Amino acid sequence: RKEVEQDPGPFNVPEGATVAFNCTYSNSASQSFFWYRQDCRKEPKLLMSVYSSGNEDGRFTAQLNRASQYISLLIRDSKLSDSATYLCVVRGGYNQGGKLIFGQGTELSVKP
Amino acid sequence: SQTIHQWPATLVQPVGSPLSLECTVEGTSNPNLYWYRQAAGRGLQLLFYSVGIGQISSEVPQNLSASRPQDRQFILSSKKLLLSDSGFYLCAWDRWDSNNEKLFFGSGTQLSVL
Repeated sequence: RKEVEQDPGPFNVPEGATVAFNCTYSNSASQSFFWYRQDCRKEPKLLMSVYSSGNEDGRFTAQLNRASQYISLLIRDSKLSDSATYLCVVRGGYNQGGKLIFGQGTELSVKP
Repeated sequence: SQTIHQWPATLVQPVGSPLSLECTVEGTSNPNLYWYRQAAGRGLQLLFYSVGIGQISSEVPQNLSASRPQDRQFILSSKKLLLSDSGFYLCAWDRWDSNNEKLFFGSGTQLSVL
């Protein structure tokens, strides 16, 4: 089983749609969680951190369920500029040296 | 301010040739350093992880090696490249003990092995 697994893509949605990405992680000792965004052949950029209480940044909402080892990202009112690959990232526990592990990414394509 | 330099940006190498990619970090000390590889259309695969000078964790069996001769220098090497080594290589750093857990990436090296 992969350490971090995401929904296989791509997701093709119209402008204005709501889209949800899911991610699961295998190590219950994982410390912290993030969503990154990557544009084609560019370095990934931090989109938001994910907290157990859930957090929202404009049209983006992230949720963490530690019991189920599950992370989600919801994008409301999709824009053309949201087209990118979304990466779920997990910081491993102390037994893993705290390294950051990426999921394989889910590609989003927002169409006019 | 903290910066990370990675070079070269693009590299075309023949099969069997050696490789050396270098990454340096400025503006911080004792960073965690990472080498990731991304094959075309795929996610980021963690290759090497280092928490200090001379401390390298290899994540997957492969044709590559890494070294950290100085605190803020991380080098990815190969003695003989394979076709399967082609990909987008990213160096990154973070500080696990800081309140800001953001991972800082270099701009990447696109390696084509022919």
